[in-house]
Amino acid sequence: KQEVTQIPAALSVPEGENLVLNCSFTDSAIYNLQWFRQDPGKGLTSLLLIQSSQREQTSGRLNASLDKSSGRSTLYIAASQPGDSATYLCAVIGSGGGADGLTFGKGTHLIIQP
Amino acid sequence: DGGITQSPKYLFRKEGQNVTLSCEQNLNHDAMYWYRQDPGQGLRLIYYSQIVNDFQKGDIAEGYSVSREKKESFPLTVTSAQKNPTAFYLCASSASMNINTEAFFGQGTRLTVV
Repeated sequence: KQEVTQIPAALSVPEGENLVLNCSFTDSAIYNLQWFRQDPGKGLTSLLLIQSSQREQTSGRLNASLDKSSGRSTLYIAASQPGDSATYLCAVIGSGGGADGLTFGKGTHLIIQP
Repeated sequence: DGGITQSPKYLFRKEGQNVTLSCEQNLNHDAMYWYRQDPGQGLRLIYYSQIVNDFQKGDIAEGYSVSREKKESFPLTVTSAQKNPTAFYLCASSASMNINTEAFFGQGTRLTVV
């Protein structure tokens, strides 16, 4: 069964720093990997979707990479801002489909200090 | 405005009551999902549906029921058999469960047993 791990569980950095969030998964047979942001008490907002044939995706200050063979993805946030404070979740869709559809990590709680 | 609408935002249930959480999407997506989120845990899949009139149990289906009579609607009923229903419930949809499509989430319903 697919397992997704996110490290670190929490991170606090000063405003302006570049940072990297990590996501690893145990089964490399995935359709895609998706990064989400969750603000307290809110739903999930999709940030980036990386398809299994892609190596990376970029959106503004965000860059996500995918290395299927090693079972890893990173989310790079450039020039962090206080508004980036949130919990970041990664999820994979496995090739098994069905109940393996979307498997989530527990998230990284990010605080950007003004 | 395309998206996923969950209602109500907050819901209170007395012991022994059944309650129904609403999820509606106007994205013309085939696949819909219900997740439960508890503090310190990742999102856990309750039920999913790949197409109208079809749905499957996820990892934690006991004490829950769903229906999918219309493509745009996937209501979740929390029955009295669910022993610990207090949680944050999230509904999601995607164009398909088994190809490279992005998943979108609603804003969630917080259920509290009183």
